[in-house]
Parts: sequence; C-alpha cells; structure tokens
Amino acid sequence: ETGVTQSPTHLIKTRGQQVTLRCSSQSGHNTVSWYQQALGQGPQFIFQYYREEENGRGNFPPRFSGLQFPNYSSELNVNALELDDSALYLCASSLPGQGASTDTQYFGPGTRLTVL
Amino acid sequence: KQEVTQIPAALSVPEGENLVLNCSFTDSAIYNLQWFRQDPGKGLTSLLLIQSSQREQTSGRLNASLDKSSGRSTLYIAASQPGDSATYLCAVTGSGGAQKLVFGQGTRLTINP
Repeated sequence: ETGVTQSPTHLIKTRGQQVTLRCSSQSGHNTVSWYQQALGQGPQFIFQYYREEENGRGNFPPRFSGLQFPNYSSELNVNALELDDSALYLCASSLPGQGASTDTQYFGPGTRLTVL
Repeated sequence: KQEVTQIPAALSVPEGENLVLNCSFTDSAIYNLQWFRQDPGKGLTSLLLIQSSQREQTSGRLNASLDKSSGRSTLYIAASQPGDSATYLCAVTGSGGAQKLVFGQGTRLTINP
C-alpha cells in the first residue's frame, strides 16, 4: 500500500470527448508525476508538478494538461480524445531532494482508459 | 535522449532457481536507478533504488547492481518463488531538472511451480 490513490479505476470514452483523471498523493509529498502506459510497454512520462507548478513535460501534446492542488491531490485532463490515448494512466508522488529514502517515487494503482 | 532497454522481454524458470534480469541505458549521466515490480493491470511497486554514487542495493532475496560507466544494471533474484511472477521494470532518473523516470519495456517473469 503506497498511500497513493487514483480514480476512477476504469473509464470508457469515445473519440473527441474530454476526460479528467484524479490522483491523491501520499501525505506531505509535494511532487506528483503522471505517466501513460500503453499495453505491453513501459510507462512514458507525461509531466510533473511541484508545489502546484508544472516542473517538466514529456513528449505529449498540449491537449494533455494537469493541475496540482494545495492538498497534494492532482488531475490529468485530456481533451479531444484519440484512440491511441487508450492506456493505463499512473500517477506517482515523491518528496525529492531529501535523501535517498525519499527519492523513491510511489505509484498509484492507475486508471485504465479505453477510447472507442 | 535517454533510452532504457531490458533483456530478456520474457523469462520462464522453475521455482527455486536464481535468476538475473538485465537493464541498460544510453546516457550515463543519471541521478538514480530504480527497479519496479508490476502485477497484471496494476500499478508499480518500487523494489530497490540505487543512487548514482552507489554500486548495489539489497532487499531480502533481491540484489540490484549499478555500473554507471557502462550503462548497465542487473536485478538478481535468489531462490525464486511463484509469487515472484510479475513484470519487472527498471527506470532511470536524469541528473538534472525534473525527477522524470525513463522506463524500459520490462521483463515479464514467470516462475513455474
């Protein structure tokens, strides 16, 4: 049990729709990252938020956006859904810069998004 | 651009064997390397984290080594058990900027009773 929760567990959408995925980070962790994992692949970095500001972004288009809130929860929003957006979306929280024991990123169980 | 490769993609061994999973990365300027376990359809569980200044880390039956200069890491699993069956992923964090993990594609491990 990592203390990171995500909702919903599963979601089915159609092409062109918009979706919001939610993550509740481990208490006190001020950094949250989002990853996309296609079937049979390793996770791909989407972006990271640190103290409510975007702090790095992977190779994803602007229709992928995020928010981080003061209570350490966060959202991933995807507009104009495409079939290739079907994947497991993972969030991970951490407290970087405090030493080896806190460099570990703690992952949530993920949200399985299917786009039809 | 950092690229991480894991070999083999899949491995099936009988229970009780010792085994080694391999991970290689192209850019040696890393901050740390982590090994994760992922059960089907589930999130990732961190197994071991090795800082760039370290050579290895151990946890129970697991031992991970890091050779930064050659861009390689190995995960050694001793006395394998059916419960070890899962996909194992390695990931590196770059030495600057955001704490972004770059993952390999994973090794799918099956331990046969």
